[in-house]
Amino acid sequence: TQLLEQSPQFLSIQEGENLTVYCNSSSVFSSLQWYRQEPGEGPVLLVTVVTGGEVKKLKRLTFQFGDARKDSSLHITAAQPGDTGLYLCAGASGGNDYKLSFGAGTTVTVRA
Amino acid sequence: GAGVSQSPSNKVTEKGKDVELRCDPISGHTALYWYRQRLGQGLEFLIYFQGNSAPDKSGLPSDRFSAERTGESVSTLTIQRTQQEDSAVYLCASSLLGGTVGNTIYFGEGSWLTVV
Repeated sequence: TQLLEQSPQFLSIQEGENLTVYCNSSSVFSSLQWYRQEPGEGPVLLVTVVTGGEVKKLKRLTFQFGDARKDSSLHITAAQPGDTGLYLCAGASGGNDYKLSFGAGTTVTVRA
Repeated sequence: GAGVSQSPSNKVTEKGKDVELRCDPISGHTALYWYRQRLGQGLEFLIYFQGNSAPDKSGLPSDRFSAERTGESVSTLTIQRTQQEDSAVYLCASSLLGGTVGNTIYFGEGSWLTVV
């Protein structure tokens, strides 16, 4: 059983379209991170959010942490083929914030 | 390179054999993590080392799994009497400090283990 549920599992869109990936849990997290992983490589950190309601922008990527710190979303505007990859959310809680619980990931494919 | 280095990148072993996976963290990083990633699943926490503190081994799935770290450098994950369910990618990561806030965790490319 995944502590963090990600949806959708797969997403295929045309270049230039927008997309949103969701990460939900019944647990409260002290921080939540988003990673992108490409085949044969390890995950690469995109962002860390720590405050309920926090919104962070990274170029065309917008990350939001839910008010109750139980959920998060990743929105990509005008997706490009270079955005293709596996997007993972990961939450840390309590005093053990080094121990991340990961969602199963959303595989995003952006077609040229 | 300056990243986290893991070896071997691929390992095929027979059921019942022991395997050792090695991780060279980024120089100067005090924290080191091992995670397991099964096909279609998220990463599972295995073990965490931080400086000279006792490691957090709470994620190790059975007593067949063990890990050591030499000071603040190389770490080895050992799986004894491998089983088919041990087949997965084993990812090592390191960071300058422990935890996630104000700290970036860098992952290696992983060691892909297949038990036949």
